[in-house]
Parts: sequence; structure tokens; C-alpha cells
Amino acid sequence: DQQVKQNSPSLSVQEGRISILNCDYTNSMFDYFLWYKKYPAEGPTFLISISSIKDKNEDGRFTVFLNKSAKHLSLHIVPSQPGDSAVYFCAASAVCSGGSNYKLTFGKGTLLTVNP
Amino acid sequence: KAGVTQTPRYLIKTRGQQVTLSCSPISGHRSVSWYQQTPGQGLQFLFEYFSETQRNKGNFPGRFSGRQFSNSRSEMNVSTLELGDSALYLCASSLALGEGRYFGPGTRLTVT
Repeated sequence: DQQVKQNSPSLSVQEGRISILNCDYTNSMFDYFLWYKKYPAEGPTFLISISSIKDKNEDGRFTVFLNKSAKHLSLHIVPSQPGDSAVYFCAASAVCSGGSNYKLTFGKGTLLTVNP
Repeated sequence: KAGVTQTPRYLIKTRGQQVTLSCSPISGHRSVSWYQQTPGQGLQFLFEYFSETQRNKGNFPGRFSGRQFSNSRSEMNVSTLELGDSALYLCASSLALGEGRYFGPGTRLTVT
């Protein structure tokens, strides 16, 4: 059962426009969400995170929105640049009562292509 | 500050052999976690270590094991390799459990 889903395998946008990457989750215990970017032959690079006590976190061109009732989060990149072309992974973790469970559960990724 | 380093970067093994992968975390980071990336399954959690103790474990068979040393460096071992173990193995470090993880470049393991 896939607990973190990225339903769009790929997304193509024009340089300068907004890129919106979506992620849905099913486990209501998840309380910490992260976005990673991955270039071929490199490990994932941490981009931005959000705790479940917030609904928005912004860092430069990157903004993550969290809608807990819908179990949905999105990553907005504005303006998009050709160098942003990469695979973007959404990840989530949970802290269970009585212990810790910080393992990250990843989505399968979305390939973003930003065209010049 | 140097990033997460993983050795070797590429490895070719045959079925039935065993393999050990190494990970050196960012200086000062005490948590190390391991992930397997395959085209069909994406990134899957293997296990996480903190202060030389395994804190979390994913749903992988017992052939996959790991350990962490007092200097926070970690090793992952896979015994009796199978063709399906061919994957990119990624190591990530963080200051503490639950923090944002910083990944290494990975070890590409090919089992023939």
C-alpha cells in the first residue's frame, strides 16, 4: 500500500512560469513532510520541509503548502528555471506515541522539465 | 563542510555473494539512514541508526543488515545477493532523528 503518492510521473513547464508538484498521503499519523530534488547519478537534495502545525513554508523560490484535511501537499517553484529540471520526491514521516518512527516514506517522484 | 560520502560508488557482484557498503555522514551528524532506490519501487527505507543503535527498520529481509560506529560512520551489508538487489543504495545523515536528511551520491550495485 503506497502511503505517499505522486500521481504525476512528469510535468513540463516554460521557464519563468510556476511549477506545481503535488503529493497525497494516506497515513494520518504523518506529521513532517519534505521535498527532495534529484539529478541523475546524484543523491536526493533536501529542498524544503513543513511540519503539520503549519500550512505553508517558504524558502526563496520554493513554497510548500500543506492541506491536512485533504492529506495533500504541494511544492510551488516560482519562477521556474531550466536548472530546476530534475526528479522531485515528496517524503513524509511520523512520530508515533510511545516511541519514535522517523523513517521517511517517499513517493515515486515527478520528473520536472523546465523548457527555456 | 563536507557532505555525505559513500563508498564505493559502483559495484558489480554475482548472485550469492555478499557486499558491504560504507557511509560517512556530515561531520556532527549522528543519525544515518539507508534507502534503496529502484525504478519500479522508488525510494524505500531500509534502516536508521542513531548513537550506534538501530532505531527504525523497513520491510526488507534479514539479508539486509547494518551497523553504526562510534564516529557515526555506518556500513550496510547484504548477504546472499539476488538479482533483485540491483539498485542505487543511498545513505542519508541528519543531526538527530526526525531532522531533514542530507543524502550521499549513492552506491550503484549491480548483481549479475
